[in-house]
Amino acid sequence: QSALTQPASVSGSPGQSITISCTGTSSDVGSYNLVSWYQQHPGKAPKLMIYEGSKRPSGVSNRFSGSKSGNTASLTISGLQAEDEADYYCCSYAGSSTFPYVFGTGTKVTVL
Amino acid sequence: QLQLQESGPGLVKPSETLSLTCTVSGGSISSSSYYWGWIRQPPGKGLEWIGSIYYSGSTYYNPSLKSRVTISVDTSKNQFSLKLSSVTAADTAVYYCARHTTGTFDPWGQGTLVTVSS
Repeated sequence: QSALTQPASVSGSPGQSITISCTGTSSDVGSYNLVSWYQQHPGKAPKLMIYEGSKRPSGVSNRFSGSKSGNTASLTISGLQAEDEADYYCCSYAGSSTFPYVFGTGTKVTVL
Repeated sequence: QLQLQESGPGLVKPSETLSLTCTVSGGSISSSSYYWGWIRQPPGKGLEWIGSIYYSGSTYYNPSLKSRVTISVDTSKNQFSLKLSSVTAADTAVYYCARHTTGTFDPWGQGTLVTVSS
């Protein structure tokens, strides 16, 4: 099971919107609406931002939204803020009892 | 509020066994709704799922690590543990424990850095 593919970096100016893609296969992203997204600041543990494709946990800003089309999931951050500068990882359920979870390669978001 | 905390040696010699424990507080590890997992992150790299356990003891592991990994649970102590044998420098990483459902890992422990070096 290969890692999900994410762009290495995405940047934007404060107030802009950016989108991070997460490309998998028909065995993972394409088969299940079970993609989650995590934000990780340097030296910190990952924090859940989106689950089940598009749901936001309590306390997560509504500036974060998730979607999916085919084998690609996406995370959009609108109204970009300095505090959004971090690494972002997607994760998908892959259904297999032998390898059910695959993470993305990670994307560094830079606020210009 | 559920919290997870990893503990264990920060330095392990090559060929030896890495052992970590995750202590769960603020909730029961015996909840039938959740699994408990280990994830690692080598310095400067991405996340890798290692394996997970259900409170009943059912386990499943990343096939690339399966021959070296054992995850166990101690419901009386509200803890679950990771053992990774025959470690090499490639196993140097921050190791996280996390509660999860199908596809969602939350919350995570703060992570603990384990360095493999003689």
